[in-house]
Amino acid sequence: LAKTTQPISMDSYEGQEVNITCSHNNIATNDYITWYQQFPSQGPRFIIQGYKTKVTNEVASLFIPADRKSSTLSLPRVSLSDTAVYYCLVGDSGAGSYQLTFGKGTKLSVIP
Amino acid sequence: DVKVTQSSRYLVKRTGEKVFLECVQDMDHENMFWYRQDPGLGLRLIYFSYDVKMKEKGDIPEGYSVSREKKERFSLILESASTNQTSMYLCASTVYARDRDPLHFGNGTRLTVT
Repeated sequence: LAKTTQPISMDSYEGQEVNITCSHNNIATNDYITWYQQFPSQGPRFIIQGYKTKVTNEVASLFIPADRKSSTLSLPRVSLSDTAVYYCLVGDSGAGSYQLTFGKGTKLSVIP
Repeated sequence: DVKVTQSSRYLVKRTGEKVFLECVQDMDHENMFWYRQDPGLGLRLIYFSYDVKMKEKGDIPEGYSVSREKKERFSLILESASTNQTSMYLCASTVYARDRDPLHFGNGTRLTVT
């Protein structure tokens, strides 16, 4: 099963770059890596997705090494509004069907 | 934009009651999911459905059942509510059940069982 492991929490000052790493040692060949952001009292929302190397969009970058056993979400110059919980998701096909199982997430606190 | 609507934001029920949580999506998605979210435990998958009348167990199905009679609607049922089912419940949908298609979530139902 492609379980994920992330730090429980991180603190950062406004304006800094934040990197959150997720470990997924048992990732399957066809699995993609997806990151979500969740604010209090809301459901998670999609941030970025990748398969290998680097992906960048208007919100974040995602770095994936060649072995794909980990991935790093990079948030450039964070602001107070980036305070949220960030989840890494990898497809779980261990049961013969595709269960999308989340890890426990990383709570990012941005400090003024 | 995909809209996933959960019928209640807050719900208070008594122990032993039968509880229905409703979820509707408006994008004709094949797949729908129910998660529960608890502090320190993240999101845990209860049940999911690939098609009408089809369901599969997730990681924590005990004490729950589901119903999918129409493509757009996925209901979570607590047959006999217990206090340990007090939680935030999140519904999601996606076109494909593979991880490459992002999940679209509702804003959750916070259920309290007293």
